[in-house]
Amino acid sequence: EAAVTQSPRNKVAVTGGKVTLSCNQTNNHNNMYWYRQDTGHGLRLIHYSYGAGSTEKGDIPDGYKASRPSQENFSLILELATPSQTSVYFCASGGQGYTEVFFGKGTRLTVV
Amino acid sequence: AQKVTQTQTSISVMEKTTVTMDCVYETQDSSYFLFWYKQTASGEIVFLIRQDSYKKENATVGHYSLNFQKPKSSIGLIITATQIEDSAVYFCAMREDSNYQLIWGSGTKLIIKP
Repeated sequence: EAAVTQSPRNKVAVTGGKVTLSCNQTNNHNNMYWYRQDTGHGLRLIHYSYGAGSTEKGDIPDGYKASRPSQENFSLILELATPSQTSVYFCASGGQGYTEVFFGKGTRLTVV
Repeated sequence: AQKVTQTQTSISVMEKTTVTMDCVYETQDSSYFLFWYKQTASGEIVFLIRQDSYKKENATVGHYSLNFQKPKSSIGLIITATQIEDSAVYFCAMREDSNYQLIWGSGTKLIIKP
């Protein structure tokens, strides 16, 4: 079974602070994704990566950075957190080609 | 432009019956891949089933099956013998041959009544 682990699972951050959400996958998948999920918007893609060292902008990248230092790890960075970034964030990984993706359990981020 | 549409926001059915959830998609690619995911009450998102556009046979996994109607750009999810634990939000998604991104529908909430 594919394994994607997110940390932390819950986070409260202060407006203007820096937040890093971490994701680790043990599937040796090339592709990794960060989504946010808000009521009424479904899943929206923030950043994704094709492999170590690569990051690409998704549909809503503003206010977020991503880092893929290794095959296994993919981080989402909020340099200056804002209350509008309060959401549930999901990391996912997928193999080469057109396979399905597997999700982590999500991180609930609250920016106060 | 790629798009995935789920028009049913919520469906409620009795336990042990069969339910169909609708999904239509838009794509210019001749090759694409369609997926259904389930999001449980705890928030976990789980892959259920997949249909490749070049396959004519409808995919089946356990009590999940697909109704793939390519001329209508439609991929319905059928759940037979529903159980209480099937209550969840179901998402349809599409990936085009030329793109690693997944395009997501807005989800259908399924409520199974005892």
